[in-house]
Amino acid sequence: AQSVTQPDIHITVSEGASLELRCNYSYGATPYLFWYVQSPGQGLQLLLKYFSGDTLVQGIKGFEAEFKRSQSSFNLRKPSVHWSDAAEYFCAVGNTDKLIFGTGTRLQVFP
Amino acid sequence: DVKVTQSSRYLVKRTGEKVFLECVQDMDHENMFWYRQDPGLGLRLIYFSYDVKMKEKGDIPEGYSVSREKKERFSLILESASTNQTSMYLCASSSPSGVRGYNEQFFGPGTRLTVL
Repeated sequence: AQSVTQPDIHITVSEGASLELRCNYSYGATPYLFWYVQSPGQGLQLLLKYFSGDTLVQGIKGFEAEFKRSQSSFNLRKPSVHWSDAAEYFCAVGNTDKLIFGTGTRLQVFP
Repeated sequence: DVKVTQSSRYLVKRTGEKVFLECVQDMDHENMFWYRQDPGLGLRLIYFSYDVKMKEKGDIPEGYSVSREKKERFSLILESASTNQTSMYLCASSSPSGVRGYNEQFFGPGTRLTVL
């Protein structure tokens, strides 16, 4: 069955530090992969997506993610975190018209 | 710019009431979705509609129904609200996955429903 695992429920980093959020998926075919961000009290906003081609994809707000088929992973990275990045982050895999979401990682940023 | 709007940001209802949550999108998307979001559980799909009057159950349809009479509007109905339906409800829309081979979804701001 298709699934998405985000092993870190909560991550705390200092402002200016680098960030990596983990995402592992289980999907039989070539996956469509997404990262969404949800700021407090808001809906979800798409950060980036992977469909095919270059395995390193760039997104908005300085985020990037790398698709590693051998590890079934699609980890999200940012070299220097800003206080405004504090939010909840969701990884998702596309299943025809639907998305299967992970349970999310809450990011806290300390000044 | 895709706009998905939801009728209320916050809603408080009593147990047993019939509750309507409305969602409207302005991008002529065929697909519309209702999710429920709870801490530690992520987003769970309640219902999915791929065309007017067409619907498909998601992972947690019990206690909910939906209506899609017009392409731009998708309603979630709680026939008899219960306290365990207190949650954040998110609506989304997308083009069919066959159009460009992907299925990016655009989300509304959410409705936080409290059932007392």
